[in-house]
Formats: sequence, structure tokens, C-alpha cells
Amino acid sequence: SQQGEEDPQALSIQEGENATMNCSYKTSINNLQWYRQNSGRGLVHLILIRSNEREKHSGRLRVTLDTSKKSSSLLITASRAADTASYFCATDAGSGNTPLVFGKGTRLSVIA
Amino acid sequence: DAGVIQSPRHEVTEMGQEVTLRCKPISGHNSLFWYRQTMMRGLELLIYFNNNVPIDDSGMPEDRFSAKMPNASFSTLKIQPSEPRDSAVYFCASRGGGRGPAFFGQGTRLTVV
Repeated sequence: SQQGEEDPQALSIQEGENATMNCSYKTSINNLQWYRQNSGRGLVHLILIRSNEREKHSGRLRVTLDTSKKSSSLLITASRAADTASYFCATDAGSGNTPLVFGKGTRLSVIA
Repeated sequence: DAGVIQSPRHEVTEMGQEVTLRCKPISGHNSLFWYRQTMMRGLELLIYFNNNVPIDDSGMPEDRFSAKMPNASFSTLKIQPSEPRDSAVYFCASRGGGRGPAFFGQGTRLTVV
């Protein structure tokens, strides 16, 4: 079963606006990761946040993690048309080299 | 490094035929994952290997699917016989030791007619 569930399923905004995507998960995690997928391409890792971290920044990306609510959010500030893509959260749970479990993603459209 | 390499990029085959998808992980990575992506079901984990050993194949849909990793630099996913409902994009990903990110190939778009 899928661990992460993104919300909303689709989001359309104007260039320059901020985009916020949310992810909820069910079990305890070691870390949570966000990925981006352009149409017809593979997923690309964006940012990783560990279970003992609450917030992380990378360029125009800001990720928060609330382990008590089992949720995370990805904020893209000052969006650009090139940010148009699908965004996925993935949870890393358990011990050893366990796999990442992905949600169904949020399709973001940034209109120029 | 060229990243994770998958072949072929596109495959169109007739129902009942055998299909073999190939993956070359990033050198030095010790974990390899096969995922399937469809609009309806999203990204599903099919099977994953650690150090060339299959760890969990519970995501493999049925016995028609099989995967091998004969060495650290090569893996195959085989479907025999293929069915139209197998049509999807199949991704291979690899990951180094520890709990870092996974690196994905460009995927194989499979169409079974």
C-alpha cells in the first residue's frame, strides 16, 4: 500500500505565486523525501528531511515536517513556468536499506 | 556518471509476447528498485534488491513477472506472457548505502496491444 498521499492532486497557479503541496503518511519514518517528475521523464530528487528535523530549505524550496501529525509540506516560492511538473513525496521507514514508498503526486501547472 | 540507464525507452508488443526490460544502476549503489507507474495506481514498487539479492517481491503483480540481478551492474524485469493491462511506464532506480535519495532511470514505456 502507498505510504504518502499528496494533496492537492492538481494545482494551477500564476507565475510568481507560491505553490504549496502537502503529504500525509501513515507509519513512523526515518526521513521523507520530495521528488519532481517532468512529463515523460524519471523522478528527480529535490530534498530530504530527516525525522528529527522540522524545516529545511534549498533555494526556492522549503520543506516542513510534522511527525506528530505525520505530514509534510513542500513550498515553492516565486514559481516559474519551468516548475510545471508532478511532485511526489516518498517515505523511508524501517531499518536496513528499505525502499522508498511514493504517493500519487501533485500535478503543478505554473501559467506564465 | 551517466546515471541509471534503462532500455529500451519504448516497447510495443503484442499480447502474449515476452518482454524484457533492462537496467544498469549507478556504479557503487547497492540497492536497486523496479517501479511501475500508471495514472490509476501511481508509482508502485514491484521488487527491490540489496547487494544483488531480491529482498521483497511482494509488489510483483503475478507469476508472469520475474526479475533478476545477476551482478551489481545489471538487472532485468521480464513479463511472460504480456497482457494489455501491463501497459505502463516501468522505472528502475538505484540507491547507495544508507538512507539517501534514489536515482531514477528515464523509464521504459511499455504498450501491450
